[in-house]
Amino acid sequence: GAGVSQSPSNKVTEKGKDVELRCDPISGHTALYWYRQSLGQGLEFLIYFQGNSAPDKSGLPSDRFSAERTGGSVSTLTIQRTQQEDSAVYLCAIERNEQFFGPGTRLTVL
Amino acid sequence: RKEVEQDPGPFNVPEGATVAFNCTYSNSASQSFFWYRQDCRKEPKLLMSVYSSGNEDGRFTAQLNRASQYISLLIRDSKLSDSATYLCAVRRLSGNTGKLIFGQGTTLQVKP
Repeated sequence: GAGVSQSPSNKVTEKGKDVELRCDPISGHTALYWYRQSLGQGLEFLIYFQGNSAPDKSGLPSDRFSAERTGGSVSTLTIQRTQQEDSAVYLCAIERNEQFFGPGTRLTVL
Repeated sequence: RKEVEQDPGPFNVPEGATVAFNCTYSNSASQSFFWYRQDCRKEPKLLMSVYSSGNEDGRFTAQLNRASQYISLLIRDSKLSDSATYLCAVRRLSGNTGKLIFGQGTTLQVKP
């Protein structure tokens, strides 16, 4: 939605495997955010990219989580050695005066 | 205590009713305020920003009370299609970038 696509839409993985989630915004947005939404925790900020500045990683829950943004456009969120508590919907958002969310990736860790 | 709090509801109201939600925030440095609407298994969609003077968009009115640190959303003449979860969000930084802190959401169910 709103100029942001995410892939895959659904991902089922086994505990201990690594996963990579992708966010593909339309061009021209310097600010990009990752959030996750899980039952009982609501919508939580993970990481934020703004132009060439160092990303704000203050929301990443552990060092198993990392993200990068290449060429100021596509971003990937990587979760290593997935755990069951990582199961959530991972949402990417872009800034256009306000924040607009992509459709999300629903991650299920078995 | 969470930084942004909402009554989770659910609020069950008949069509045509007026319903109001409040959202409190604890960080007085919060600068920008928003209401999002989220339908089941969908992404949040921006409903409206909340301005200091209050603002209205059709049947929806948003208010900000900085002294008491809360924002409100009023929905008049509720429609069945208003059934959704309403999330409030605050941002600390001034300007137009920075992470959002969300409340848990308030569920609204409008019944015929």
